[in-house]
Amino acid sequence: GNSVTQMEGPVTLSEEAFLTINCTYTATGYPSLFWYVQYPGEGLQLLLKATKADDKGSNKGFEATYRKETTSFHLEKGSVQVSDSAVYLCGGGSQGNLIFGKGTKLSVKP
Amino acid sequence: GAGVSQSPSNKVTEKGKDVELRCDPISGHTALYWYRQSLGQGLEFLIYFQGNSAPDKSGLPSDRFSAERTGGSVSTLTIQRTQQEDSAVYLCASSRRSLTGPGELFFGEGSRLTVL
Repeated sequence: GNSVTQMEGPVTLSEEAFLTINCTYTATGYPSLFWYVQYPGEGLQLLLKATKADDKGSNKGFEATYRKETTSFHLEKGSVQVSDSAVYLCGGGSQGNLIFGKGTKLSVKP
Repeated sequence: GAGVSQSPSNKVTEKGKDVELRCDPISGHTALYWYRQSLGQGLEFLIYFQGNSAPDKSGLPSDRFSAERTGGSVSTLTIQRTQQEDSAVYLCASSRRSLTGPGELFFGEGSRLTVL
């Protein structure tokens, strides 16, 4: 069946550090891929998405590229801020279904 | 409504009792999802609806769990004979129909279930 595997945290970085959170997926066909974010005390919200191979999703300085050859959708940001502290979830799905990885908690220290 | 509404926000029940959790999606959203969020387990898919039908029920953990959706709107997740391992936050999300797979999901605040 389909599955999403992401790097487990917690991840602690200093402000302005480079961030990578790895995510790989296993699926039949070509799923759409997503990153969702949950800031402290808030609900889950979409951060970015890509619907086909080589697509790059971007938002708020975060980027992720849909790599079909490595079945990956790693999340990156060149310079993190304290306000990026949150839980990040990678998700994938096709035909309406959407499953998630276990989530990665990111803490950014000033 | 303005967002996805879930009730109750908190539910404490005794082992063996039945519980019902309600989700009111964003108006016009045809797809509705139920997830369970437990510590260390991330977001576990339970079921999703397209309109009133459920194309994928594969995530329901056991036959004690059931869900229905009526009128293409409100959905109810029912857990019968609750067990302590059912304790979790149950999240509902809705989205518009999309031709390229799942659309953007809008999540509710969740229903926190505690089984004593």
